Amino acid sequence: GAVVSQHPSWVICKSGTSVKIECRSLDFQATTMFWYRQFPKQSLMLMATSNEGSKATYEQGVEKDKFLINHASLTLSTLTVTSAHPEDSSFYICSAFAGTLHEQYFGPGTRLTVT
Amino acid sequence: QQQVKQSPQSLIVQKGGISIINCAYENTAFDYFPWYQQFPGKGPALLIAIRPDVSEKKEGRFTISFNKSAKQFSLHIMDSQPGDSATYFCAATLGRDYKLSFGAGTTVTVRA
Repeated sequence: GAVVSQHPSWVICKSGTSVKIECRSLDFQATTMFWYRQFPKQSLMLMATSNEGSKATYEQGVEKDKFLINHASLTLSTLTVTSAHPEDSSFYICSAFAGTLHEQYFGPGTRLTVT
Repeated sequence: QQQVKQSPQSLIVQKGGISIINCAYENTAFDYFPWYQQFPGKGPALLIAIRPDVSEKKEGRFTISFNKSAKQFSLHIMDSQPGDSATYFCAATLGRDYKLSFGAGTTVTVRA
């Protein structure tokens, strides 16, 4: 149990375009989902926290207009990178938290490359 | 400001040996301390976790030791196997918001 999926697993896009990444909790309802980015050989950096039905809370320094987060249901959150630039190339990872499980479960990650 | 400090950055251990990773934290309000294992190109996977009312927790070959007074906790991997070669992250969180503060990570290499 406690499986989190992400789609796509990797994506290449041209500079200036937008990319949407989906995060789904497959076998539990996630009251809260988190979005992270990770650069090579570095730790995970929390970008934002999303709660179902409410606006996401962004960490300091993260541009909310560039990284749009929507948590439409208890099993789905999406991250849209708008007007992507090469410096947005990174590994994006979501996690889902269910109060009943008291744990955070991570998705497999999405590798974004902006050319 | 990194709230959880992790060391060493990397370590190499022989098959069958013990890997030890240490973490220290500042915020005494942290109440949950998980360890995650991450393989290249994959998301982190929860390995083992501990709460501050317990000094040690063991699951198979993995043991967490927790020292509340010193604000330190460590992961011991016993009988290390080549399949344990991965990056390990310690983390800490506050019960009220569940946001994880991660350590910098330790890359463990187990030589056969």
